[in-house]
Amino acid sequence: GAVVSQHPSRVICKSGTSVKIECRSLDFQATTMFWYRQFPKQSLMLMATSNEGSKATYEQGVEKDKFLINHASLTLSTLTVTSAHPEDSSFYICSAEGTAGGGYTFGSGTRLTVV
Amino acid sequence: DAKTTQPTSMDCAEGRAANLPCNHSTISGNEYVYWYRQIHSQGPQYIIHGLKNNETNEMASLIITEDRKSSTLILPHATLRDTAVYYCIVRGGLLDTGTASKLTFGTGTRLQVTL
Repeated sequence: GAVVSQHPSRVICKSGTSVKIECRSLDFQATTMFWYRQFPKQSLMLMATSNEGSKATYEQGVEKDKFLINHASLTLSTLTVTSAHPEDSSFYICSAEGTAGGGYTFGSGTRLTVV
Repeated sequence: DAKTTQPTSMDCAEGRAANLPCNHSTISGNEYVYWYRQIHSQGPQYIIHGLKNNETNEMASLIITEDRKSSTLILPHATLRDTAVYYCIVRGGLLDTGTASKLTFGTGTRLQVTL
């Protein structure tokens, strides 16, 4: 079945630094990828929709200059959290449309801790 | 996309069938019902989806009422590994632009399978 590989699974960074999270579709081409954020004991909140070769579409309230999304190929999308602060600590998850009938396939998530 | 309503939590004894209800009274004709689950600290996992007919796969069965205003996910023989948060999501098909429509997560049902 469709697989989405997300790295790193965990990252700890210092406040003020930037962190890049990668999301790869391993056995299919993903024209569109989605980035979610999940705080403890809460549901997934969509941050942005990433389309290959074009600018990402951000949800209301998500700062596009802080959460940089690049989708330069049909198999790779990246999310960069710039100038991270402790309040950016969260579980970040990507997803992409999988093979027909399989709905969306999600990455395994990245636990970001900003200290 | 139409909103969904699910119970906050449910318990189920191991080996028994788990029946998870979902109300989606404002669903429109071209919207599908999708079910995902999220085991703690992992990305969501696709379970099943349907439009109006009942569906079954190796994981679960999906029963959709004739008026499509509600549905039930059935795990026929729940195991401890089925303990997770289950999300019922209503989603339209491809947008007019040909791009995939986004998934909007509600709060889901926390299913606890016990011995």
